[in-house]
Amino acid sequence: EAQVTQNPRYLITVTGKKLTVTCSQNMNHEYMSWYRQDPGLGLRQIYYSMNVEVTDKGDVPEGYKVSRKEKRNFPLILESPSPNQTSLYFCASSLRTGNTEAFFGQGTRLTVV
Amino acid sequence: QKEVEQNSGPLSVPEGAIASLNCTYSDRGSQSFFWYRQYSGKSPELIMFIYSNGDKEDGRFTAQLNKASQYVSLLIRDSQPSDSATYLCAVSPYGQNFVFGPGTRLSVLP
Repeated sequence: EAQVTQNPRYLITVTGKKLTVTCSQNMNHEYMSWYRQDPGLGLRQIYYSMNVEVTDKGDVPEGYKVSRKEKRNFPLILESPSPNQTSLYFCASSLRTGNTEAFFGQGTRLTVV
Repeated sequence: QKEVEQNSGPLSVPEGAIASLNCTYSDRGSQSFFWYRQYSGKSPELIMFIYSNGDKEDGRFTAQLNKASQYVSLLIRDSQPSDSATYLCAVSPYGQNFVFGPGTRLSVLP
């Protein structure tokens, strides 16, 4: 089954404790991205990757890191989480940028206390 | 700054009515337009995409695009309670990232 898998689904952590949210897709998609979703603000892009070893900042990259060492994986790293990073996070992949459908992971609800 | 705007709602319609969801965008270079549906706490799922001016129909859903007015809409005919969700408009210039609107919350009343 074609899918984008994120883990964990739910995470509560403390300020400053490094964490990684994993994202994996099995569709051989070139393009992957991370979004955060907050009430009233919609989906905002954090980082994206057009292919292996190619990553770039989205609209809200501060406080986040990513890597794309393999085509299927695109982890999101919070080196020192803060309460303002409490949000619902989605990973998405598509065959290429722009004019093809984006497939979304199940979401990760992160709470930083 | 590329912007996509939608009325946040909630938009309430009675069961069986037509729901009309609207979206405007600022980047005239936008070439691809998508409508996603998102149930509360779930991930967005694609309903329709449209690339050309005019209407595109798929079952109860019709997407309408007017590039001159920078306007795209989604009509849902014979609305059902199961259509109650947030509808996200996404826009993409060729070869560039998606930009999502804030979403419109639709409530279909039985």
